[in-house]
Amino acid sequence: DADVTQTPRNRITKTGKRIMLECSQTKGHDRMYWYRQDPGLGLRLIYYSFDVKDINKGEISDGYSVSRQAQAKFSLSLESAIPNQTALYFCATSEFTDTQYFGPGTRLTVL
Amino acid sequence: GENVEQHPSTLSVQEGDSAVIKCTYSDSASNYFPWYKQELGKGPQLIIDIRSNVGEKKDQRIAVTLNKTAKHFSLHITETQPEDSAVYFCAASINSGYSTLTFGKGTMLLVSP
Repeated sequence: DADVTQTPRNRITKTGKRIMLECSQTKGHDRMYWYRQDPGLGLRLIYYSFDVKDINKGEISDGYSVSRQAQAKFSLSLESAIPNQTALYFCATSEFTDTQYFGPGTRLTVL
Repeated sequence: GENVEQHPSTLSVQEGDSAVIKCTYSDSASNYFPWYKQELGKGPQLIIDIRSNVGEKKDQRIAVTLNKTAKHFSLHITETQPEDSAVYFCAASINSGYSTLTFGKGTMLLVSP
């Protein structure tokens, strides 16, 4: 079984809809991250959490929110999706500031 | 904050050739430099990393070099194979406990048979 899972893997939605992307991990790591990947722009950090009670904004947090429901679960929400949020979204986990383990990604399309 | 520049954005080589990807960083306090490989349809995966107390690290056909004075580090892949075709990302961070990784924009490597 995969250590980091993301649901859904693909999602098409319309402008203005609320969307939640979910991430679960079985690695027992305290640290979890949400990234956005756009062609030519690399991986940009949206939000990160160093433990269940800790939430921090990343480089591009506007328009997004997160919830850390448990050590193993970290969800990303788009309260009112817009077309320029069309991208590939990755969740990652790490133990301390070390290797990050990425999920398989969620491809989100906002029409 | 940290800024990581990565070059080239695309790289095409023939099977068996060597490939070199270069990155520069801005924050002299950065001391951890990982490289990730992303295959089509998958998430990035760590392939090698280097910390600032060493200048070079090798793992079979891949190696990473670090020049802290010039604030740049490079990924070297020798004897490239078609399965090396992927997007490669460099990153940098201050391995102090509360920092995060800053990624370069990625290099698409294509190895032709």
